[in-house]
Amino acid sequence: GENVEQHPSTLSVQEGDSAVIKCTYSDSASNYFPWYKQELGKRPQLIIDIRSNVGEKKDQRIAVTLNKTAKHFSLHITETQPEDSAVYFCAASFHTGTASKLTFGTGTRLQVTL
Amino acid sequence: DGGITQSPKYLFRKEGQNVTLSCEQNLNHDAMYWYRQDPGQGLRLIYYSQIVNDFQKGDIAEGYSVSREKKESFPLTVTSAQKNPTAFYLCASFRQGGSGYTFGSGTRLTVV
Repeated sequence: GENVEQHPSTLSVQEGDSAVIKCTYSDSASNYFPWYKQELGKRPQLIIDIRSNVGEKKDQRIAVTLNKTAKHFSLHITETQPEDSAVYFCAASFHTGTASKLTFGTGTRLQVTL
Repeated sequence: DGGITQSPKYLFRKEGQNVTLSCEQNLNHDAMYWYRQDPGQGLRLIYYSQIVNDFQKGDIAEGYSVSREKKESFPLTVTSAQKNPTAFYLCASFRQGGSGYTFGSGTRLTVV
């Protein structure tokens, strides 16, 4: 089955700096890679996703890059703000359009300091 | 609450007792999932169902059971065979042709 590794486990940045979180996956058939943000005690929220036919996707201050050859993908947050502080999870799946079984990384706790 | 309702929010179980966690969605999503989250760990898949009356084991199904008698409902039973059930349980659903999951707000289960 799929195995997803995520690094770092904790990340502290100053407000305004950039944050980068990296994930690797094992199953070359995986074609869908979402990122979730989870605040303490709350449900994970989808913040951005990318499919294997795309190398990069941006949404305002958030971007995701995918290297299919190396089987890794990264989340980039620019101009970080205190409200970006949360736990971020990457995930991977073989996504058929009718179903998707996501395998999650172990999470990165991002702390944005003033 | 985002179309998926989990109840209860907090649940306490005595050792040796079975408990059932509720998950209901009104999003008309076909697939539903149960994940377990432990501190410092990611979400691990317990069971999933792609269609009514059908479900598959995930990575950590031992000690759990599910049913999918209706499209809207996917209850999870934590049986006495699950030796370490204290965790945060998340239910999710997925729409055919859609993107990521929609998660419920979770149930925090504690063994007392």
